[in-house]
Amino acid sequence: AQSVTQLDSHVSVSEGTPVLLRCNYSSSYSPSLFWYVQHPNKGLQLLLKYTSAATLVKGINGFEAEFKKSETSFHLTKPSAHMSDAAEYFCVVSEAGYSTLTFGKGTMLLVSP
Amino acid sequence: DAGVTQSPTHLIKTRGQQVTLRCSPISGHKSVSWYQQVLGQGPQFIFQYYEKEERGRGNFPDRFSARQFPNYSSELNVNALLLGDSALYLCASSLPFGTNYEQYFGPGTRLTVT
Repeated sequence: AQSVTQLDSHVSVSEGTPVLLRCNYSSSYSPSLFWYVQHPNKGLQLLLKYTSAATLVKGINGFEAEFKKSETSFHLTKPSAHMSDAAEYFCVVSEAGYSTLTFGKGTMLLVSP
Repeated sequence: DAGVTQSPTHLIKTRGQQVTLRCSPISGHKSVSWYQQVLGQGPQFIFQYYEKEERGRGNFPDRFSARQFPNYSSELNVNALLLGDSALYLCASSLPFGTNYEQYFGPGTRLTVT
């Protein structure tokens, strides 16, 4: 069975400082991993995905994530936070051969001026 | 291009009633999935349909059912509503069926059961 643990329910940063959202996963097989963002009253938007190619994945809006198999982690980072980054972020896993997504509980990113 | 559309946007129902939610996938997408997002939680998988056949089912009671039509649109039905069914119901579409294909989400239907 696959599962995802997002280690922080809330992360607060100041505008212009780095962002780190932590995610650990559990999967029996080679997983695909995703980060989605959900702005208030909006649908989910895909930020980036890992599907067994390069372990460092670049996404939209300056976000990137690194797949570390030895640590079963897929942390999301951004060098410099922007006010518009304030939203809820979900780490998601999908096992090879299956396309159902298993979501973490989410991390709310708060960005202060 | 139009994204995934869902209707209605909001819905208020009473316990015991039945509800039908609708989803139209992105043009050309043949796979539709449904997710339930309870307040403060991540979305949970309910169903996946591909080419009008059920390809996956999450851990939800039989009160939940779905179907996909020849034009690939989909309906989610929930019978005998409970207060705990109050949630945001999300529909996602993707090209074919498989792990590497991105799922594109609609804005959701907010269901409130009173």
